[in-house]
Amino acid sequence: EVQLVESGGGLVQPGGSLRLSCAASGFIVSSNYMGWVRQAPGKGLEWVSVIYTGDSTYYADSVKGRFTISRDNSKNTVYLQMNSLRAEDTAVYYCVRDLRWLQQGLDYWGQGTLVTVSS
Amino acid sequence: EIVMTQSPATLSVSPGERATLSCRASQSVSTNLAWYQQRPGQAPRLLIYGASTRATGIPARFSGSGSGTEFTLTISSLQSEDFAVYYCQQYNNWPALTFGGGTKVEIK
Repeated sequence: EVQLVESGGGLVQPGGSLRLSCAASGFIVSSNYMGWVRQAPGKGLEWVSVIYTGDSTYYADSVKGRFTISRDNSKNTVYLQMNSLRAEDTAVYYCVRDLRWLQQGLDYWGQGTLVTVSS
Repeated sequence: EIVMTQSPATLSVSPGERATLSCRASQSVSTNLAWYQQRPGQAPRLLIYGASTRATGIPARFSGSGSGTEFTLTISSLQSEDFAVYYCQQYNNWPALTFGGGTKVEIK
């Protein structure tokens, strides 16, 4: 069974840092595109970042230069390092398996982890 | 960046009735379009990809159509569990993905 389990969310002050983790089971992360999507409270979905199988990484303009996506193949886990956090980064962050290369969208989502940026 | 626009923002439908949701892209995305359902307090779930292909386990009452810039999600006979928010998303223009603002389907 495919599962994505996020962790690492919490309350952080503006300017602070947080690292989110996404532990995958049922498939191999290094053989897939993996990404993050966020949802601010009461708002819609916003794409944040993707890591390709070849290790290329891409980011939304709103987080470029502040967030870094990576993966640990030995742990089958994807990470999102978030630095210089702002109030507008407050959101539920979802880890996703990204099948765009198969023209199939985002087929698996984690349950989400809440990040709150506030003093 | 491709902008995705969904309409209406809210759709009031009675159980058993048909619901038709629209999604428009600011430029052609071919059929590289997906639809997601998000129930309150839950993560989104993939319903449709390739504009018209149902994802695994999705009931046949959900259907998608369209290509280029105009797309439609139809729910043929609304069940209680279908009252939720629906998002369209394009994956034609890489690397950024863009979502529509969502359509909330509520009970009339």
